[in-house]
Amino acid sequence: GAVVSQHPSRVICKSGTSVKIECRSLDFQATTMFWYRQFPKKSLMLMATSNEGSKATYEQGVEKDKFLINHASLTLSTLTVTSAHPEDSSFYICSARGEKDYEQYFGPGTRLTVT
Amino acid sequence: GQNIDQPTEMTATEGAIVQINCTYQTSGFNGLFWYQQHAGEAPTFLSYNVLDGLEEKGRFSSFLSRSKGYSYLLLKELQMKDSASYLCAVILNDYKLSFGAGTTVTVRA
Repeated sequence: GAVVSQHPSRVICKSGTSVKIECRSLDFQATTMFWYRQFPKKSLMLMATSNEGSKATYEQGVEKDKFLINHASLTLSTLTVTSAHPEDSSFYICSARGEKDYEQYFGPGTRLTVT
Repeated sequence: GQNIDQPTEMTATEGAIVQINCTYQTSGFNGLFWYQQHAGEAPTFLSYNVLDGLEEKGRFSSFLSRSKGYSYLLLKELQMKDSASYLCAVILNDYKLSFGAGTTVTVRA
């Protein structure tokens, strides 16, 4: 149980285009999902907290108009990177909070490359 | 800001024991996770500590001292497949996780 999927796993896009990444909890309901980004050989940096039915909470320094987050249901959150630039190239990982307070399950990640 | 420190790299021999230390100074604390991450993959859960003491799970053990802001992950009987990055993460308020930079462990034959 407690499986989180992400789609796509890998995407290459041209500069200026937008990319949508989906995060799904497959066998549990996730009231809260988190979005992280990770640069090579660096740790995960929390970008935003996504709560079902409400606006996402963004961490300091993260542009909410550039990284649009929608959490329309208890099993799906989406991250849209708008007007992507090469510096947005990164590994994006989502996680979903389970039933127990401390549990957080990670998706397999999405490798975004902007050319 | 949050401050979570762990060594950058460690190398050990197959069959040996390695201890990865993590010290933290954070604005909140609701527990500490250790994750394993292979290159290009998402982190996988190893352990969770919220009370002081040692949690043992097979070849892996994790220790926490809240008063010292200190934890360690102990890997025993190292195998080649244990070569990975190990992440220390503190649960802040609102269930947010703050990660350390990760420790890359290389296991040599």
